[in-house]
Amino acid sequence: DQQVKQNSPSLSVQEGRISILNCDYTNSMFDYFLWYKKYPAEGPTFLISISSIKDKNEDGRFTVFLNKSAKHLSLHIVPSQPGDSAVYFCAASATQGGSEKLVFGKGTKLTVNP
Amino acid sequence: DTGVSQNPRHKITKRGQNVTFRCDPISEHNRLYWYRQTLGQGPEFLTYFQNEAQLEKSRLLSDRFSAERPKGSFSTLEIQRTEQGDSAMYLCASSWLAGTYNEQFFGPGTRLTVL
Repeated sequence: DQQVKQNSPSLSVQEGRISILNCDYTNSMFDYFLWYKKYPAEGPTFLISISSIKDKNEDGRFTVFLNKSAKHLSLHIVPSQPGDSAVYFCAASATQGGSEKLVFGKGTKLTVNP
Repeated sequence: DTGVSQNPRHKITKRGQNVTFRCDPISEHNRLYWYRQTLGQGPEFLTYFQNEAQLEKSRLLSDRFSAERPKGSFSTLEIQRTEQGDSAMYLCASSWLAGTYNEQFFGPGTRLTVL
């Protein structure tokens, strides 16, 4: 049962354009969402997060949008840079339910072409 | 470097052998997590500690797996009688939970290959 889904295994964009990575979830108990970036042979690096009480959080070039009614979130990267090329994971947790584990999607491989 | 560290980075073992991995969290973090990642998948939760107490375990953590955090600082993950299906990247993360904001910071992982 895949509670967090990233339906696009890969995405390719041109440098300077916007990258939009999508994530859907099924568990209505999830109340905190995170995006991680992962380079080969390294652990995931935390990027940005959002609580379920918000619908948008912005940090520099990265913005995360949350649509609770659709159980959907997205990560926008503007402008995209070649160094952003990595695998991006969406993760969720149900902290109010007492669980601190993160449930991850399968990831989306982003390639930013110069 | 004050990030999460893991040792060894790579481990190759033969089926049936026991292996032990170590994780040193960020020093002020009281929570420590273990995850496992296989090819093409996201990290999957195994277990977590608050200080030295093990508070949650996944059903993925079979009887052959045991984790400890004896003094509330570093943690070890032991796999007994390894099987080829145990081959994966084992990731450790730590956090300092403030309210509902559970941002977990990951180490570089230990890649296990069981021959």
